[in-house]
Amino acid sequence: DVKVTQSSRYLVKRTGEKVFLECVQDMDHENMFWYRQDPGLGLRLIYFSYDVKMKEKGDIPEGYSVSREKKERFSLILESASTNQTSMYLCASSGDTEPQHFGDGTRLSIL
Amino acid sequence: GENVEQHPSTLSVQEGDSAVIKCTYSDSASNYFPWYKQELGKGPQLIIDIRSNVGEKKDQRIAVTLNKTAKHFSLHITETQPEDSAVYFCAAYYDYKLSFGAGTTVTVRA
Repeated sequence: DVKVTQSSRYLVKRTGEKVFLECVQDMDHENMFWYRQDPGLGLRLIYFSYDVKMKEKGDIPEGYSVSREKKERFSLILESASTNQTSMYLCASSGDTEPQHFGDGTRLSIL
Repeated sequence: GENVEQHPSTLSVQEGDSAVIKCTYSDSASNYFPWYKQELGKGPQLIIDIRSNVGEKKDQRIAVTLNKTAKHFSLHITETQPEDSAVYFCAAYYDYKLSFGAGTTVTVRA
């Protein structure tokens, strides 16, 4: 089975802090994704990566950046956290012809 | 970009009855439509998917239909059970990206 592991289930940070969310997949997938999930809005794509060191903006990239130094790891970075970034963050991975597989999410609170 | 609308936002059904969730999409180039189920405290899990060259697909109690002309697709759950209670998301795939509907919270009453 595909396993996508997000490093933290819950995280509390303060406004202005630099925040790192980590995601690791064990299936040698080329593609990795970061979403945020908010009630009534579904899942919205922040950034994705289709190869090591490659990244593409999704629908809501403002205030975020990403890093993919190794194929199995994809990091989401909040450069200066703000309260409107309080949300559930979901990481996913997929092969070229496969559906996306999700981690269990990180619930991030910015105080 | 792709816009996916999903209805209803909440659905309550009696155990044993059927549940139907409907989605529409805007980009006719979308060619793959997965459905995900999300249980409390978990990430979304793929339950069924359909590609644009197929009109219907079934997997036990779950079926999905696709009408490319009208640009809509639906999830059908028959003989609902308490473990079907969850949030369901439809999605449309185009150009490496999935666009998701807002989700349907399904509650199965015992």
